[in-house]
Amino acid sequence: GENVEQHPSTLSVQEGDSAVIKCTYSDSASNYFPWYKQELGKRPQLIIDIRSNVGEKKDQRIAVTLNKTAKHFSLHITETQPEDSAVYFCAAIRYLNFNKFYFGSGTKLNVKP
Amino acid sequence: DSGVTQTPKHLITATGQRVTLRCSPRSGDLSVYWYQQSLDQGLQFLIQYYNGEERAKGNILERFSAQQFPDLHSELNLSSLELGDSALYFCASSVSESSYEQYFGPGTRLTVT
Repeated sequence: GENVEQHPSTLSVQEGDSAVIKCTYSDSASNYFPWYKQELGKRPQLIIDIRSNVGEKKDQRIAVTLNKTAKHFSLHITETQPEDSAVYFCAAIRYLNFNKFYFGSGTKLNVKP
Repeated sequence: DSGVTQTPKHLITATGQRVTLRCSPRSGDLSVYWYQQSLDQGLQFLIQYYNGEERAKGNILERFSAQQFPDLHSELNLSSLELGDSALYFCASSVSESSYEQYFGPGTRLTVT
């Protein structure tokens, strides 16, 4: 089955610095790659996503890049702020006749003021 | 607020018991997904329903079952509960079975004692 590996498991940055979280996947048929932000005790919230026909997508301070050949994708947060502190999950999803959902193990991001 | 509702918020029960978790999707969403999130763990996909029919199955135990009703709300039934079933259970919904965007509910925290 699919295996989504996410690194690092924890990341601490200074406010204003950039943060990068990386994920690799094994199922080459995966075609949708969302990123979720989960604050402590709250629900996961979709923050950005990318489809397999696109290499990069940006939304203000957040960007996601996808390298289909290498089967890895990354989340980039620039100008980090304390409110960015949360756990971030990546996922690789294969939409065929039967949908397959695989999530990374999460990255705990701490932005120090 | 994603528009997805889940009840109850918290549930405490004993080993061996059976519980039912309820989810109401966003208005207009036909697809419902269930996830389990154990303490300090990532999200494990359990099962997906679309318009009342099961569409995909993940790591769902045989002791667990789910259904989606004609009004599109869904229930996740957990039986013969074990200590290890203690977790946050999230439901998410999307417009269609192949929609890429899922919106998560607030979750039900289950504690098995």
